Amino acid sequence: QKEVEQDPGPLSVPEGAIVSLNCTYSNSAFQYFMWYRQYSRKGPELLMYTYSSGNKEDGRFTAQVDKSSKYISLFIRDSQPSDSATYLCAMSGVQGAQKLVFGQGTRLTINP
Amino acid sequence: DAGVIQSPRHEVTEMGQEVTLRCKPISGHDYLFWYRQTMMRGLELLIYFNNNVPIDDSGMPEDRFSAKMPNASFSTLKIQPSEPRDSAVYFCASSGQIETQYFGPGTRLLVL
Repeated sequence: QKEVEQDPGPLSVPEGAIVSLNCTYSNSAFQYFMWYRQYSRKGPELLMYTYSSGNKEDGRFTAQVDKSSKYISLFIRDSQPSDSATYLCAMSGVQGAQKLVFGQGTRLTINP
Repeated sequence: DAGVIQSPRHEVTEMGQEVTLRCKPISGHDYLFWYRQTMMRGLELLIYFNNNVPIDDSGMPEDRFSAKMPNASFSTLKIQPSEPRDSAVYFCASSGQIETQYFGPGTRLLVL
């Protein structure tokens, strides 16, 4: 079993829809949770970062962490065609916090 | 800032040849990471450095892979001899803080 599980999709939704992306993990030591966005043929770029549990909002994006369920989510409101990309969750523990473990990535397409 | 710079952007080589990938991190960043991305395995951490010192190389697949960081502004990942299963996109990333790793554009390697 992988430490981080993420449905690879693909996921296709109409413009303006609310998108929900999620990951589950098995390592209870994980404390740092990130979402990266990767456009085709580009490197990943950090989108959201959360430490420990709770919610974090940044514009149309909301990240949620539920450590009791070992489940993290990324919500995209009013989705735009420019949001079409692969979204990767990543996480790490306090010890060796720089060592990120990535999910497989979910490929998302927003249709105009 | 120019961001993380990687070269070459594309590399096609024949099995058995030596391949050298290069990376220039963002100035002032203390951490440097080498990742490999494939469709099957996703994004995997190969090795990372802190202040030019290798910290964790547990992700390096086998002895054919080696990485060096002779100074704060340059790192190499070498594969010798290369094999077709090494075909992947190799990313270099650098970081000055736990939560943000900046990725380069990647090197697309094809081993025939």
